[in-house]
Amino acid sequence: SQQGEEDPQALSIQEGENATMNCSYKTSINNLQWYRQNSGRGLVHLILIRSNEREKHSGRLRVTLDTSKKSSSLLITASRAADTASYFCATRRSYNTDKLIFGTGTRLQVFP
Amino acid sequence: DTEVTQTPKHLVMGMTNKKSLKCEQHMGHRAMYWYKQKAKKPPELMFVYSYEKLSINESVPSRFSPECPNSSLLNLHLHALQPEDSALYLCASSDTDRGFRLFFGQGTRLTVV
Repeated sequence: SQQGEEDPQALSIQEGENATMNCSYKTSINNLQWYRQNSGRGLVHLILIRSNEREKHSGRLRVTLDTSKKSSSLLITASRAADTASYFCATRRSYNTDKLIFGTGTRLQVFP
Repeated sequence: DTEVTQTPKHLVMGMTNKKSLKCEQHMGHRAMYWYKQKAKKPPELMFVYSYEKLSINESVPSRFSPECPNSSLLNLHLHALQPEDSALYLCASSDTDRGFRLFFGQGTRLTVV
Protein backbone atom coordinates (compact mmCIF):
# COMPACT_ATOMS: atom_id res chain seq x y z
CA SER A 1 0.00 0.00 0.00
CA GLN A 2 1.22 3.48 -0.75
CA GLN A 3 2.43 5.54 2.14
CA GLY A 4 2.23 8.95 0.50
CA GLU A 5 -0.21 10.89 -1.58
CA GLU A 6 0.90 13.91 -3.52
CA ASP A 7 -0.89 16.90 -4.86
CA PRO A 8 -1.34 18.25 -7.33
CA GLN A 9 -1.21 15.20 -9.61
CA ALA A 10 -0.08 17.49 -12.42
CA LEU A 11 1.26 21.03 -12.53
CA SER A 12 2.00 23.27 -15.52
CA ILE A 13 3.92 26.51 -15.12
CA GLN A 14 6.03 28.96 -17.09
CA GLU A 15 9.81 29.15 -16.83
CA GLY A 16 10.88 31.40 -14.00
CA GLU A 17 7.83 30.61 -11.84
CA ASN A 18 8.01 28.63 -8.62
CA ALA A 19 6.57 25.11 -8.37
CA THR A 20 5.21 23.68 -5.12
CA MET A 21 4.34 20.03 -4.62
CA ASN A 22 2.82 18.55 -1.49
CA CYS A 23 3.10 15.09 0.01
CA SER A 24 0.95 13.62 2.78
CA TYR A 25 1.71 10.35 4.49
CA LYS A 26 -0.07 8.06 6.90
CA THR A 27 2.28 6.75 9.59
CA SER A 28 5.20 8.09 11.59
CA ILE A 29 8.46 8.23 9.68
CA ASN A 30 12.22 8.26 10.19
CA ASN A 31 12.90 10.30 7.08
CA LEU A 32 11.23 11.58 3.94
CA GLN A 33 12.96 11.81 0.59
CA TRP A 34 12.16 13.46 -2.72
CA TYR A 35 13.04 11.92 -6.07
CA ARG A 36 12.80 13.11 -9.63
CA GLN A 37 12.06 10.91 -12.67
CA ASN A 38 12.46 11.98 -16.25
CA SER A 39 10.09 10.22 -18.61
CA GLY A 40 10.58 6.45 -18.56
CA ARG A 41 13.94 6.57 -16.82
CA GLY A 42 15.38 5.82 -13.41
CA LEU A 43 14.73 7.98 -10.38
CA VAL A 44 17.25 10.46 -9.05
CA HIS A 45 17.48 11.38 -5.38
CA LEU A 46 17.00 15.10 -4.74
CA ILE A 47 16.90 15.71 -1.01
CA LEU A 48 16.32 13.93 2.30
CA ILE A 49 14.77 15.44 5.42
CA ARG A 50 14.81 13.66 8.76
CA SER A 51 11.84 13.53 11.12
CA ASN A 52 13.52 15.95 13.55
CA GLU A 53 14.13 18.55 10.85
CA ARG A 54 11.63 21.13 9.67
CA GLU A 55 13.26 22.61 6.59
CA LYS A 56 16.13 21.88 4.21
CA HIS A 57 17.57 23.63 1.20
CA SER A 58 19.58 22.38 -1.74
CA GLY A 59 20.23 24.82 -4.56
CA ARG A 60 16.83 25.85 -5.94
CA LEU A 61 15.05 23.21 -3.84
CA ARG A 62 13.40 23.84 -0.50
CA VAL A 63 11.75 21.05 1.44
CA THR A 64 9.62 21.42 4.55
CA LEU A 65 8.34 18.73 6.88
CA ASP A 66 5.46 18.99 9.33
CA THR A 67 5.30 15.75 11.30
CA SER A 68 2.22 16.89 13.25
CA LYS A 69 0.29 17.13 9.97
CA LYS A 70 2.17 14.23 8.37
CA SER A 71 2.98 16.34 5.35
CA SER A 72 5.90 17.67 3.36
CA SER A 73 6.30 20.14 0.54
CA LEU A 74 8.89 20.56 -2.19
CA LEU A 75 9.42 24.02 -3.62
CA ILE A 76 11.41 24.50 -6.82
CA THR A 77 12.25 28.16 -7.31
CA ALA A 78 12.87 29.89 -10.64
CA SER A 79 11.88 26.79 -12.59
CA ARG A 80 13.47 25.84 -15.90
CA ALA A 81 12.21 23.77 -18.83
CA ALA A 82 14.75 21.13 -17.76
CA ASP A 83 12.83 20.71 -14.48
CA THR A 84 10.03 19.03 -16.43
CA ALA A 85 9.71 15.58 -14.82
CA SER A 86 7.72 13.57 -12.30
CA TYR A 87 8.49 14.18 -8.65
CA PHE A 88 7.90 11.59 -5.94
CA CYS A 89 8.10 11.74 -2.19
CA ALA A 90 9.20 8.56 -0.43
CA THR A 91 9.09 7.66 3.23
CA ARG A 92 11.07 5.37 5.49
CA ARG A 93 9.17 4.42 8.63
CA SER A 94 12.06 3.68 10.96
CA TYR A 95 15.84 3.76 11.09
CA ASN A 96 16.15 -0.04 10.93
CA THR A 97 14.08 -0.79 7.86
CA ASP A 98 15.17 -0.82 4.23
CA LYS A 99 11.60 -0.30 3.08
CA LEU A 100 11.11 2.95 1.14
CA ILE A 101 7.57 3.57 -0.04
CA PHE A 102 6.79 6.08 -2.78
CA GLY A 103 3.93 8.53 -2.98
CA THR A 104 1.68 8.94 -5.99
CA GLY A 105 3.84 11.63 -7.64
CA THR A 106 3.38 15.02 -9.26
CA ARG A 107 3.96 15.50 -12.99
CA LEU A 108 5.53 18.91 -13.52
CA GLN A 109 5.58 20.58 -16.94
CA VAL A 110 7.59 23.78 -17.29
CA PHE A 111 6.97 25.73 -20.49
CA PRO A 112 9.75 27.87 -21.98
CA ASP B 1 31.48 5.14 -9.44
CA THR B 2 27.91 6.01 -8.41
CA GLU B 3 26.12 3.99 -11.04
CA VAL B 4 23.63 1.18 -10.96
CA THR B 5 23.62 -0.65 -14.28
CA GLN B 6 20.63 -2.62 -15.51
CA THR B 7 20.48 -4.94 -18.50
CA PRO B 8 18.75 -5.28 -20.84
CA LYS B 9 17.21 -1.84 -21.37
CA HIS B 10 14.26 -3.34 -23.24
CA LEU B 11 12.86 -6.88 -23.23
CA VAL B 12 9.95 -8.44 -25.08
CA MET B 13 9.01 -11.92 -23.96
CA GLY B 14 6.22 -14.39 -24.55
CA MET B 15 4.13 -15.78 -21.74
CA THR B 16 5.91 -19.15 -21.91
CA ASN B 17 9.45 -17.71 -21.96
CA LYS B 18 12.02 -17.63 -19.19
CA LYS B 19 14.18 -14.54 -19.01
CA SER B 20 16.32 -12.70 -16.46
CA LEU B 21 16.88 -9.07 -15.61
CA LYS B 22 20.31 -8.11 -14.31
CA CYS B 23 21.49 -5.33 -12.05
CA GLU B 24 25.02 -4.41 -10.96
CA GLN B 25 26.43 -1.83 -8.55
CA HIS B 26 30.03 -1.21 -7.48
CA MET B 27 29.42 1.26 -4.66
CA GLY B 28 29.78 -1.35 -1.93
CA HIS B 29 26.14 -0.90 -0.94
CA ARG B 30 24.75 -3.62 1.29
CA ALA B 31 21.10 -3.36 0.19
CA MET B 32 19.65 -3.90 -3.27
CA TYR B 33 16.07 -3.48 -4.41
CA TRP B 34 13.66 -4.39 -7.17
CA TYR B 35 10.78 -2.02 -7.89
CA LYS B 36 8.04 -2.36 -10.50
CA GLN B 37 6.54 0.74 -12.10
CA LYS B 38 3.50 0.94 -14.33
CA ALA B 39 2.88 3.95 -16.53
CA LYS B 40 2.00 7.14 -14.62
CA LYS B 41 2.22 5.28 -11.31
CA PRO B 42 4.81 5.36 -8.51
CA PRO B 43 7.41 2.60 -8.16
CA GLU B 44 6.10 -0.36 -6.13
CA LEU B 45 8.54 -2.26 -3.96
CA MET B 46 8.96 -5.93 -4.85
CA PHE B 47 12.05 -7.28 -3.08
CA VAL B 48 14.92 -6.12 -0.91
CA TYR B 49 18.21 -7.93 -0.32
CA SER B 50 20.38 -6.97 2.60
CA TYR B 51 23.89 -8.44 2.86
CA GLU B 52 22.94 -10.83 0.04
CA LYS B 53 19.96 -12.23 1.95
CA LEU B 54 16.33 -11.65 1.01
CA SER B 55 14.97 -9.35 3.70
CA ILE B 56 11.71 -8.09 2.17
CA ASN B 57 9.29 -9.80 -0.23
CA GLU B 58 6.18 -7.72 -0.79
CA SER B 59 3.99 -10.75 -1.53
CA VAL B 60 5.22 -10.89 -5.10
CA PRO B 61 3.89 -13.79 -7.27
CA SER B 62 6.28 -16.72 -7.61
CA ARG B 63 6.64 -16.14 -11.36
CA PHE B 64 9.13 -13.45 -10.24
CA SER B 65 12.18 -15.00 -8.59
CA PRO B 66 14.97 -12.78 -7.24
CA GLU B 67 18.56 -13.84 -6.78
CA CYS B 68 21.58 -12.13 -5.28
CA PRO B 69 24.70 -14.06 -6.38
CA ASN B 70 27.08 -11.63 -4.64
CA SER B 71 27.14 -8.20 -3.07
CA SER B 72 27.37 -6.42 -6.43
CA LEU B 73 24.81 -8.35 -8.47
CA LEU B 74 21.06 -8.71 -8.34
CA ASN B 75 18.97 -10.76 -10.77
CA LEU B 76 15.25 -11.07 -11.33
CA HIS B 77 14.23 -14.33 -13.00
CA LEU B 78 10.98 -14.22 -14.94
CA HIS B 79 8.85 -17.20 -15.88
CA ALA B 80 5.29 -17.60 -17.18
CA LEU B 81 4.54 -13.90 -16.97
CA GLN B 82 1.23 -12.32 -17.89
CA PRO B 83 0.65 -9.28 -20.13
CA GLU B 84 -0.25 -7.26 -17.04
CA ASP B 85 3.32 -7.77 -15.80
CA SER B 86 4.49 -5.43 -18.55
CA ALA B 87 6.14 -2.50 -16.78
CA LEU B 88 9.40 -0.69 -16.06
CA TYR B 89 11.49 -2.74 -13.63
CA LEU B 90 13.86 -0.65 -11.57
CA CYS B 91 16.83 -1.80 -9.57
CA ALA B 92 18.26 0.32 -6.76
CA SER B 93 20.90 0.12 -4.07
CA SER B 94 21.48 1.88 -0.79
CA ASP B 95 23.59 1.86 2.33
CA THR B 96 23.29 2.97 5.89
CA ASP B 97 25.11 6.25 5.35
CA ARG B 98 23.25 9.34 4.17
CA GLY B 99 19.91 8.07 5.41
CA PHE B 100 19.45 5.14 3.08
CA ARG B 101 19.03 7.22 -0.04
CA LEU B 102 18.46 5.03 -3.09
CA PHE B 103 20.58 4.98 -6.22
CA PHE B 104 18.51 3.77 -9.17
CA GLY B 105 19.40 2.15 -12.44
CA GLN B 106 17.75 3.30 -15.67
CA GLY B 107 15.35 0.39 -15.63
CA THR B 108 14.34 -2.44 -17.93
CA ARG B 109 11.22 -1.83 -20.01
CA LEU B 110 9.50 -5.23 -20.09
CA THR B 111 6.73 -6.12 -22.52
CA VAL B 112 4.96 -9.47 -22.18
CA VAL B 113 3.14 -10.61 -25.31
